Amino acid sequence: EVVLTQSPGALSLSPGDRVTLSCRASQSVSRNYLAWYQQKPGQAPRLLIYGASSRATAIPDRFSGSGSGTDFTLTITRLDPEDFAVYYCHQYATSPLTFGGGTKVEIK
Amino acid sequence: VQLVESGGGLVQPGGSLRLSCSASGFIFSNYAMHWVRQAPGKGLEYVSGISTDGATTNYADSVQGRFTISKDNSKNTLFLQMSSLRVEDTAVYYCIKTHWPTPFDWLLDQWGQGMMVTVSS
Repeated sequence: EVVLTQSPGALSLSPGDRVTLSCRASQSVSRNYLAWYQQKPGQAPRLLIYGASSRATAIPDRFSGSGSGTDFTLTITRLDPEDFAVYYCHQYATSPLTFGGGTKVEIK
Repeated sequence: VQLVESGGGLVQPGGSLRLSCSASGFIFSNYAMHWVRQAPGKGLEYVSGISTDGATTNYADSVQGRFTISKDNSKNTLFLQMSSLRVEDTAVYYCIKTHWPTPFDWLLDQWGQGMMVTVSS
């Protein structure tokens, strides 16, 4: 099983800040099949990034993904008030599919 | 795309429940479908997936042998039959459409609003 470790677990930031979230895999994620999801309270997760760096439909370009192998990053260039949420990384290369534990981005 | 789950609720340990997911806004038979769950206050856990034609299925170890996924393409509906339910199965269950119209895509794209399943005596 591919274990995904996200860091930090939580962070407090202000609107307009730049944020970088990390996701480390216990083994190489083949074909960079790594996705990022955003989840707000009481809502279903929303796909942001797939294939490590491709933005999903209608996702603003302030969201970007990078990385390969075992180390991946989600960057939000300028935090919008609507971006405060929990972010999960997810590998869909190898069964069983697995998710990271999430990073909560809170308003300072 | 619209995915609407139903069939959740409260069930006793050892009991059974069947979740349904009614799909619309896309050609249901062209897409693999999956279920993911989230226990209260916890992270996401993959549960099960099924190919476009229903011939291929996949299960997490935690539900293997107890849950059965199925797909009725004539009714645009995905199912999850859950039996021998345990307290640890308590979660919100999400129905998910995949991204690519291929026989067994794994990229989880559009999610339903979720359905709560509570296993308790």
